Amino acid sequence: KQEVTQIPAALSVPEGENLVLNCSFTDSAIYNLQWFRQDPGKGLTSLLLIQSSQREQTSGRLNASLDKSSGRSTLYIAASQPGDSATYLCAAMDSSYKLIFGSGTRLLVRP
Amino acid sequence: SQTIHQWPATLVQPVGSPLSLECTVEGTSNPNLYWYRQAAGRGLQLLFYSVGIGQISSEVPQNLSASRPQDRQFILSSKKLLLSDSGFYLCAWRMVDTEAFFGQGTRLTVV
Repeated sequence: KQEVTQIPAALSVPEGENLVLNCSFTDSAIYNLQWFRQDPGKGLTSLLLIQSSQREQTSGRLNASLDKSSGRSTLYIAASQPGDSATYLCAAMDSSYKLIFGSGTRLLVRP
Repeated sequence: SQTIHQWPATLVQPVGSPLSLECTVEGTSNPNLYWYRQAAGRGLQLLFYSVGIGQISSEVPQNLSASRPQDRQFILSSKKLLLSDSGFYLCAWRMVDTEAFFGQGTRLTVV
């Protein structure tokens, strides 16, 4: 059974700092991995999708990497801004199309 | 373009009453559909997913059920709500090789 873990659970950084969010999964036979952002009381917004054959994806200040062999993905945020404050979730999709989420990292970027 | 609609946005129901939450997707065919529940401050728990009409996979045994009467319609139901059914319910869709997209969610409070 796939289990997804995110560390840290919460993170507070000053504006401008570069930061890394971690996601690990127990079953390396994933189809793809996706990172989301969730603002309080809202639905999820997709940030990046990494297919199992890819090593990384980039969008603006965001870069996500995937290492299937070690069961890890990281989300790198460059030059963080207060508007980046949100909960960040990763989700792994297995071959049966189940999408399993981690519990998220709550990020606060202080002005 | 594809869009996902989920309603209602908020719902307050008494214990023992029935529930019906509806989710519809526009602009695509034969999507994979998902229902999740998110308790306060927690991650997303997969409740049901469907890869086609009439095909429902249940992840968590409880007093909820799901149905997919049409290709782009996914319904979450309960005959008798419990207090523990309170939470934020999210519907999502995806094609196999694409990102997952979420609705705006329904906040259910059982009183």
